[in-house]
Amino acid sequence: GGIITQTPKFLIGQEGQKLTLKCQQNFNHDTMYWYRQDSGKGLRLIYYSITENDLQKGDLSEGYDASREKKSSFSLTVTSAQKNEMAVFLCASGTGGSYAEQFFGPGTRLTVL
Amino acid sequence: GDSVTQTEGLVTVTEGLPVKLNCTYQTTYLTIAFFWYVQYLNEAPQVLLKSSTDNKRTEHQGFHATLHKSSSSFHLQKSSAQLSDSALYYCALGSNTNKVVFGTGTRLQVLP
Repeated sequence: GGIITQTPKFLIGQEGQKLTLKCQQNFNHDTMYWYRQDSGKGLRLIYYSITENDLQKGDLSEGYDASREKKSSFSLTVTSAQKNEMAVFLCASGTGGSYAEQFFGPGTRLTVL
Repeated sequence: GDSVTQTEGLVTVTEGLPVKLNCTYQTTYLTIAFFWYVQYLNEAPQVLLKSSTDNKRTEHQGFHATLHKSSSSFHLQKSSAQLSDSALYYCALGSNTNKVVFGTGTRLQVLP
């Protein structure tokens, strides 16, 4: 088995601030994902990466940057936090391919004051 | 583009009664797989069951689903809902692009 760790668990920021979320996995999975979870909107893909140093934009990439410097880690940066923004950011990993399930981390809850 | 539709935001059912969560999809990919993920309160989503075979019933933890490509559906069903089934359920479509498309989720509330 393996585990996905996300840090921090809670993140409070100010409007306009750059904020970084981190994700680590020890499954040795090639593919990693960042999703944003909002009530009633499901899981929306922000970025994904199929290997080290690879980055692919999802449907919600505007306003975010990502970095995959190691196979085991995947970071997400909110480039300019929006006032009153509240969301949960979920990191996931998988082996890739159509039949591969994704394993999720516990999430980072973002609040922007 | 690909899309997954879950029409119900909230489904409420009495314990012991059957429940059905709807999922339909649109895709242009030929190699596809479908998943139901379940997310319990304050936990991460996890796979409940998955399938890529047309017209074959897949079961896990008392839930079952059958992929019907003719109607583009992968509905989730259980014959007798339990209080512990209360959770958020996501239907998802996987393809060989490495991307997974999720529906908007259905919250299942099982009442005593």
